[in-house]
Amino acid sequence: EAQVTQNPRYLITVTGKKLTVTCSQNMNHEYMSWYRQDPGLGLRQIYYSMNVEVTDKGDVPEGYKVSRKEKRNFPLILESPSPNQTSLYFCASTQPAGGPGNEQFFGPGTRLTVL
Amino acid sequence: AQSVTQLDSHVSVSEGTPVLLRCNYSSSYSPSLFWYVQHPNKGLQLLLKYTSAATLVKGINGFEAEFKKSETSFHLTKPSAHMSDAAEYFCVVSRIMFSGGYNKLIFGAGTRLAVHP
Repeated sequence: EAQVTQNPRYLITVTGKKLTVTCSQNMNHEYMSWYRQDPGLGLRQIYYSMNVEVTDKGDVPEGYKVSRKEKRNFPLILESPSPNQTSLYFCASTQPAGGPGNEQFFGPGTRLTVL
Repeated sequence: AQSVTQLDSHVSVSEGTPVLLRCNYSSSYSPSLFWYVQHPNKGLQLLLKYTSAATLVKGINGFEAEFKKSETSFHLTKPSAHMSDAAEYFCVVSRIMFSGGYNKLIFGAGTRLAVHP
């Protein structure tokens, strides 16, 4: 089954404790991205990756890092989480061919709470 | 620059009555537009998309949307609401990033649809 998986699905942590949220897709997609969802703001892009070893900032990158060492994986790293990073996080993947109408496939989300 | 405005943060309807979720967009280019749905504690699912073909787009679960360039609107409708339609709905505009053809999604703030018996 074609899918994007994220782990963990739920995470409660404390300020300053480094954490990683994993994202993996089995569709051989080149492009992957991370979004955060906050009430009244919709989803905002954090980082994206166009291929292995190619990443770039989205609209709200502060406080986050990413890496893309393998095509299928795109982990999100919070080196020193703060309470304002409490949010619902989504990973997504897509292929570029065909233009802007390509569907992006979303993972199930990771709900993060930083105390 | 692209942007999306969902005109209602909450919409409440009775089961069996029509649904209208309103979306206006702003785009410098001919846009691609999407509606995604998010059920409670679930991920996002694509309902339908417009990519410059037919202006009336039919999606899953009986939803459809009409692209109106003159009004810069892409409203989502359904003739008869079902209890299972209760969810949050996002209107999304997409544009190609010049580097590599990646399509960036720009989300509206969302509309929460409640369906009452």
